[in-house]
Amino acid sequence: DIQMTQSPSTLSASVGDRVTITCRATQIISSWLAWYQQKPGKAPKLLIYKASSLESGVPSRFSGSGSGTEFTLTIRRLQPDDFATYYCQQYNSYPWTFGQGTKVEIK
Amino acid sequence: EVQLLESGGGLVQPGGSLRLSCAASGFTFSSSAMSWVRQAPGKGLEWVSAITSSGGSTYYADSVKGRFTISRDNSKNTLYLQMNSLRAEDTAVYYCAKVPPLSHLKYYFDYWGQGILVTVSS
Repeated sequence: DIQMTQSPSTLSASVGDRVTITCRATQIISSWLAWYQQKPGKAPKLLIYKASSLESGVPSRFSGSGSGTEFTLTIRRLQPDDFATYYCQQYNSYPWTFGQGTKVEIK
Repeated sequence: EVQLLESGGGLVQPGGSLRLSCAASGFTFSSSAMSWVRQAPGKGLEWVSAITSSGGSTYYADSVKGRFTISRDNSKNTLYLQMNSLRAEDTAVYYCAKVPPLSHLKYYFDYWGQGILVTVSS
């Protein structure tokens, strides 16, 4: 199985900051990577698919990059609504696996 | 508007069974693979099971293989998860999730239900 590791696990940031979250895969997954945002008590929401494609309706301050085994999610100019937990997911092969999550907290 | 509405959760004793349902609307259900993803209290997301659009192929995480069965009724736009031999570690919120059409086993999830809590405890 492909393991996904996110770093950091927790990130403290202020409104307006640029935030970067990293996701690493234990095998090459090409660009088959998605990013989700989850707020407490809510379902995850798709942000990015195929490593860098922005889902419809997602603000352009979110961007994704990477291929192979290393990927990043960047949030430009962090907004109050962006404080949440973020997960990466590989979909190169079954079983589909998630990272452990990165919680973005208010500094 | 895509809607996914889970039902059937609740409290069950270890070794017991439960069947979850997910009623889908707002898209062509028979054209999309579907999946279940769970989240134990305070933990991350864990993919559980998936089924192709026709229902002809099913996939399971090792943690549930042999105990859970995913199925779908395309005439009723409904996804199911039959959970048998439940264990305490199956306690989680279970999400029904839609896979974008034509994904050919490249399964990510573009819409999620609100989730339903399953608690396995005596």
